[in-house]
Amino acid sequence: ETGVTQSPTHLIKTRGQQVTLRCSSQSGHNTVSWYQQALGQGPQFIFQYYREEENGRGNFPPRFSGLQFPNYSSELNVNALELDDSALYLCASSLEGLGPPEQFFGPGTRLTVL
Amino acid sequence: SQELEQSPQSLIVQEGKNLTINCTSSKTLYGLYWYKQKYGEGLIFLMMLQKGGEEKSHEKITAKLDEKKQQSSLHITASQPSHAGIYLCGAVLSGAGSYQLTFGKGTKLSVIP
Repeated sequence: ETGVTQSPTHLIKTRGQQVTLRCSSQSGHNTVSWYQQALGQGPQFIFQYYREEENGRGNFPPRFSGLQFPNYSSELNVNALELDDSALYLCASSLEGLGPPEQFFGPGTRLTVL
Repeated sequence: SQELEQSPQSLIVQEGKNLTINCTSSKTLYGLYWYKQKYGEGLIFLMMLQKGGEEKSHEKITAKLDEKKQQSSLHITASQPSHAGIYLCGAVLSGAGSYQLTFGKGTKLSVIP
């Protein structure tokens, strides 16, 4: 069984640039959620994708967008990067069913915005 | 105020000692998740609780969800240096859509050999 993978591991960008982060879900899982974790804080929910559709969104501006592909992998895109976007970005995969599912996280992508 | 409060914020224990971390919610918990995180890395799934009164164990770690489903505790027996890290509770709260998780700020655990 393949676990959740994310790429790249680290990324450095400058203010105003755009970035794309990638996530491959655990085999058999059909749902991917993205979280942002600032230093010293718990992860904050950005959005979730199920069957290639956005299935819930947290309190993040529209410049945070995403995609899910037919193989259930996902991308997180952030436009017009700001300094405060510097954080660890985590994706979690799960299998949608009855009731809250177990959610497994990837190793994260560390984004630094200069 | 935080919807999910963890206590303590940090904990330093001698190897071999027992310890407890608490997670309290201002709303009903529909699913309560415990994760461990090494600094700057991903979250390692420990266990998930759903039913009031439920208790689960994995090796030396036991988690409980109280009957009213608004509080959970994580107990580590005979702590080891390998238990060191940040413990995060996450929850599906009442009113949340899409089973999104709300997290506490974490408890930093240090185990002194």
